[in-house]
Amino acid sequence: RKEVEQDPGPFNVPEGATVAFNCTYSNSASQSFFWYRQDCRKEPKLLMSVYSSGNEDGRFTAQLNRASQYISLLIRDSKLSDSATYLCVVNRNQAGTALIFGKGTTLSVSS
Amino acid sequence: GAVVSQHPSWVICKSGTSVKIECRSLDFQATTMFWYRQFPKQSLMLMATSNEGSKATYEQGVEKDKFLINHASLTLSTLTVTSAHPEDSSFYICSAREWGQGHTGELFFGEGSRLTVL
Repeated sequence: RKEVEQDPGPFNVPEGATVAFNCTYSNSASQSFFWYRQDCRKEPKLLMSVYSSGNEDGRFTAQLNRASQYISLLIRDSKLSDSATYLCVVNRNQAGTALIFGKGTTLSVSS
Repeated sequence: GAVVSQHPSWVICKSGTSVKIECRSLDFQATTMFWYRQFPKQSLMLMATSNEGSKATYEQGVEKDKFLINHASLTLSTLTVTSAHPEDSSFYICSAREWGQGHTGELFFGEGSRLTVL
């Protein structure tokens, strides 16, 4: 089983739609969690961190369920510019020295 | 914000040659840098953790003699792909974390280096 697994995608949605991505991780000792965004042939960029209490940043909401080892990202009112690959990322150890990336879920928003 | 720069962005080489990729933290010091590899439509795979002044820590399955990592200063780590073969063709990305007062410890990525081995 892979350390971080995501919905396979791709997700094709119209502008204005709400879309949710799911992610599970296998290492219960994982310390911190993130969603990164990666545009085609570019480096990943941090979208948001994920906290146990859940957190929101504008149209983006992230949730973490440690008991189920599950992370989610909700995007509301999708924009064309949201089209990208969204990577679920888990910090493997307490030292925070290594991030493990999921395969990514591709989102395509159309007009 | 913090910047991590990689060079070269693109490299094409013949099979059997060695290729060096540089990763620099431009406005902060990084005692630890990370090297990732990404194949098309795949996730980033952590290859190794580069430690300033000491040996790199390699992930399971990554050949340390094949992928030489040197972290000689607090702002520079290099990855050398030795005797490259077509199966080494990939997108290599480095990252570094900015620690210290006032910093969140966010990980910053270089722009990536696309290696094509003919």
